[in-house]
Amino acid sequence: EAGVTQSPTHLIKTRGQQATLRCSPISGHTSVYWYQQALGLGLQFLLWYDEGEERNRGNFPPRFSGRQFPNYSSELNVNALELEDSALYLCASSPPSAGHGYTFGSGTRLTVV
Amino acid sequence: GIQVEQSPPDLILQEGANSTLRCNFSDSVNNLQWFHQNPWGQLINLFYIPSGTKQNGRLSATTVATERYSLLYISSSQTTDSGVYFCAVESRMRFGAGTRLTVKP
Repeated sequence: EAGVTQSPTHLIKTRGQQATLRCSPISGHTSVYWYQQALGLGLQFLLWYDEGEERNRGNFPPRFSGRQFPNYSSELNVNALELEDSALYLCASSPPSAGHGYTFGSGTRLTVV
Repeated sequence: GIQVEQSPPDLILQEGANSTLRCNFSDSVNNLQWFHQNPWGQLINLFYIPSGTKQNGRLSATTVATERYSLLYISSSQTTDSGVYFCAVESRMRFGAGTRLTVKP
């Protein structure tokens, strides 16, 4: 069974540009979660998508947005990039039934210069 | 929101030693997971354990939901156990700050 896949692995952008990060969940998983982990810090919840809808978002500005496609894959878009957006962005997925927890992908390391 | 506290923040062990990591949470939870983040940043799911006890090889975990804490036990530690261990709770998976474990040969 393929795990959660994220692309690209690394991304370098200039301040002010837009970044798009992609996530494919495990087959059969309908929920996708995005987290930001700045260097040396913990994981901060960004967004939760389930069945194509945004269910919840963390304390991040509106320039962080995303969507979930009919095949349950997801995109995270970060507009007007700032230097402090440099971080590891992790995606996780979970199945529709309770009691199984999350499975994480390997992450996208975004560097804003 | 719910608060998650992990202790100790840092732990240094000699290979072969045992350790206990603790996670306290401020409210009742329906979901709790332990993760290991390796040096490359990947989060590996260790246990999904909202209550009870589970074991997987040298690792085991116990959650006492009524007393709002969970423990992760690592026995006969190996250098490959090094990394950061996170506890996460609830449906939005609020993470603790983690315990950084270093196992020396």
